[in-house]
Amino acid sequence: GQQVMQIPQYQHVQEGEDFTTYCNSSTTLSNIQWYKQRPGGHPVFLIQLVKSGEVKKQKRLTFQFGEAKKNSSLHITATQTTDVGTYFCVPSGSARQLTFGSGTQLTVLP
Amino acid sequence: DGGITQSPKYLFRKEGQNVTLSCEQNLNHDAMYWYRQDPGQGLRLIYYSQIVNDFQKGDIAEGYSVSREKKESFPLTVTSAQKNPTAFYLCASSIEPLGAGYNEQFFGPGTRLTVL
Repeated sequence: GQQVMQIPQYQHVQEGEDFTTYCNSSTTLSNIQWYKQRPGGHPVFLIQLVKSGEVKKQKRLTFQFGEAKKNSSLHITATQTTDVGTYFCVPSGSARQLTFGSGTQLTVLP
Repeated sequence: DGGITQSPKYLFRKEGQNVTLSCEQNLNHDAMYWYRQDPGQGLRLIYYSQIVNDFQKGDIAEGYSVSREKKESFPLTVTSAQKNPTAFYLCASSIEPLGAGYNEQFFGPGTRLTVL
């Protein structure tokens, strides 16, 4: 299936610091979805980006889709301990299979 | 209360035994998926079904089998041919199948299978 590289694989931040994770694809993506998985839990859908250059915000979370639709990012402003978890970007909207990579595992230190 | 249920939450089996994991959804979704997750890893697609009585292999289908006789049910059987079955198994569903414009996946709570 379509694959994206997500970086970093791990990130430790102090509570209150900002955090960004990036997804990069060598091919143009139709859409991209973002999910969050808390430790011991199941993935929960956050958002889907569809349009080139799209920017969407959910409170402290900002999602971007690149102009060429080959990359995407998730930025969290002023992290809180509730932000702990693994964030996955997932290419979607294609007849090919959905692929969850390893994600970015975020640890927030109080 | 709509959602996806998976049972049991924890499952232990002896090596060489087949085991079937349950997944039920009352969301009236057409598509259903099974994923496997190993510690510290992402999700790998085992099988998916876009409609009743139809299913397709995912990336790691060997040693697994599924059925989709009813829209709301998509059980996964882990057979003795699966060499390393101990893992966290997640079932998901989406209102539209792959290739559609919007297919947010809703996940069940998962089943942790340990083969002794």
